[in-house]
Amino acid sequence: GENVEQHPSTLSVQEGDSAVIKCTYSDSASNYFPWYKQELGKGPQLIIDIRSNVGEKKDQRIAVTLNKTAKHFSLHITETQPEDSAVYFCAASRSQFYFGTGTSLTVIP
Amino acid sequence: DAGVIQSPRHEVTEMGQEVTLRCKPISGHNSLFWYRQTMMRGLELLIYFNNNVPIDDSGMPEDRFSAKMPNASFSTLKIQPSEPRDSAVYFCASSFGADYGYTFGSGTRLTVV
Repeated sequence: GENVEQHPSTLSVQEGDSAVIKCTYSDSASNYFPWYKQELGKGPQLIIDIRSNVGEKKDQRIAVTLNKTAKHFSLHITETQPEDSAVYFCAASRSQFYFGTGTSLTVIP
Repeated sequence: DAGVIQSPRHEVTEMGQEVTLRCKPISGHNSLFWYRQTMMRGLELLIYFNNNVPIDDSGMPEDRFSAKMPNASFSTLKIQPSEPRDSAVYFCASSFGADYGYTFGSGTRLTVV
């Protein structure tokens, strides 16, 4: 089956700085890669996704890049704000989602 | 749309009791997923349904766990008998399929004492 590894497990940045979270996957047949944000006491919420025929996708301060050859994808958050503090999960999907172990992001005001 | 609706939000029960968690998916979504989240194991897929039919239940930990989806708008996850190690947050999610983003509910926090 698919194996998704996510790094780092914790990340602290100063407000206004950028944050980068990286994931690798093992199954070359995976073709859909979503990212989720989970705030305390809530369910994960989809924030951005990318499909295997695309190398990069942006949505305001959030961007995701995909390198299919190397089987890794990354989440980039620019101009971080305190409300970006949360746990972020990556996932790789072929017939079902396989989630990474999560990154706890803290944005320090 | 109200999103994926789960009930109850919190459940505290004694070991050995039956627990039933409920989920109403987003109307029009044809796939439904039950996940369990713990600090130790992260997000674990327990079972998923496509068009109300269970497709993969390999994540269901034991025979004590069972799930049903009698129609497109309702699913249950039952634990009988419950044990303290079942304590976790249980999420239901729905989507248009595996290649589309899942919408998660707010979860049920289960505590078995």
